Amino acid sequence: DGGITQSPKYLFRKEGQNVTLSCEQNLNHDAMYWYRQDPGQGLRLIYYSQIVNDFQKGDIAEGYSVSREKKESFPLTVTSAQKNPTAFYLCASSDDSSYNEQFFGPGTRLTVL
Amino acid sequence: RKEVEQDPGPFNVPEGATVAFNCTYSNSASQSFFWYRQDCRKEPKLLMSVYSSGNEDGRFTAQLNRASQYISLLIRDSKLSDSATYLCAVNGYTGRRALTFGSGTRLQVQP
Repeated sequence: DGGITQSPKYLFRKEGQNVTLSCEQNLNHDAMYWYRQDPGQGLRLIYYSQIVNDFQKGDIAEGYSVSREKKESFPLTVTSAQKNPTAFYLCASSDDSSYNEQFFGPGTRLTVL
Repeated sequence: RKEVEQDPGPFNVPEGATVAFNCTYSNSASQSFFWYRQDCRKEPKLLMSVYSSGNEDGRFTAQLNRASQYISLLIRDSKLSDSATYLCAVNGYTGRRALTFGSGTRLQVQP
């Protein structure tokens, strides 16, 4: 069954703690993305990676970090420098076609206590 | 001006009605256009890609108007199950393959 998995589904964190969100895909897609969604808003791009060992900042990268050591995996770390981390985090992937249809994982809902 | 703009709604329509949403985009170099459906507290799911010639999938029709820089989604014979938020997404293709999303239009189909 091909798809994108994210874990955990819900995550609670105390202020000042770093936390890592997992994203794995078995679609053999080259590109992977992290978006953040706040209530009643659209998705905002945090980081993206078009190929293994390479990634670029999106529109709201401050306070976040990523790695792309394997094609299948693109973990996101939310650091203590992120001032307002409570949000719904969505990982997506796409193949290398010019049309770039993106498919999403089920998301991780992060709450900072 | 936002890169991608949508009317947030909500659009409240009776079952069986036809409803249309528009989405405007600011980057005239945009190459790829999509409609996603998002249910409450779930991930967006790809509904349709929008091609230059327009495309239809059952009750859903998507159109692209490059001159006026908008895409549209038409839903015919609305079902209760169509109630969701519809997000448009645009790829500016300036070397960045990630999509830019609108804030979504909420549709509520009523019995």
